[in-house]
Amino acid sequence: EPEVTQTPSHQVTQMGQEVILRCVPISNHLYFYWYRQILGQKVEFLVSFYNNEISEKSEIFDDQFSVERPDGSNFTLKIRSTKLEDSAMYFCASSDEGGGTEAFFGQGTRLTVV
Amino acid sequence: GENVEQHPSTLSVQEGDSAVIKCTYSDSASNYFPWYKQELGKRPQLIIDIRSNVGEKKDQRIAVTLNKTAKHFSLHITETQPEDSAVYFCAASKGSSNTGKLIFGQGTTLQVKP
Repeated sequence: EPEVTQTPSHQVTQMGQEVILRCVPISNHLYFYWYRQILGQKVEFLVSFYNNEISEKSEIFDDQFSVERPDGSNFTLKIRSTKLEDSAMYFCASSDEGGGTEAFFGQGTRLTVV
Repeated sequence: GENVEQHPSTLSVQEGDSAVIKCTYSDSASNYFPWYKQELGKRPQLIIDIRSNVGEKKDQRIAVTLNKTAKHFSLHITETQPEDSAVYFCAASKGSSNTGKLIFGQGTTLQVKP
């Protein structure tokens, strides 16, 4: 069964450093998302991406964040200068259509900022 | 703004009993309501979803009901088993949107005692 895959599974970084989280969405999907989940809290929407551009972003997704689809398979989330409060599990997801269809989640990248 | 409230935050039942988790949503334009199960340290996985053109949907021991007027939807698990123990998240989305953004509830930790 096709899966969304994310790398790395765990990333530890120093405050102020840049990190790139990588995702390979399901191959025929057209919509891509990043969500984050701070430990013990709910899953929060960060950004959606369709047709090579951001279609919606949340207040969390400020200028420190960016997304890119550098080739036909990868989808990345970059945090330019990490803060302690960026520590969370980051989930990538994809769907074959937009609203109203199942979003398939990756296994997550646990980001720890020290 | 868009918000989904979920109750209870924790639920403990005896094996074989039923479990009910309730959610309310604020955006009347929401018309897609998935439920995700998240086991410890793993990705959220869709267990059932409902669209606003139906009031109830059932899949074996799991059912979801939707009251559009009251903006409530609920997850019902019958004949609970220990492997049902997990965190359950409800979510809401605008099915007509081109973003597919999901707004999640706070989660319910379900414990099924053998």
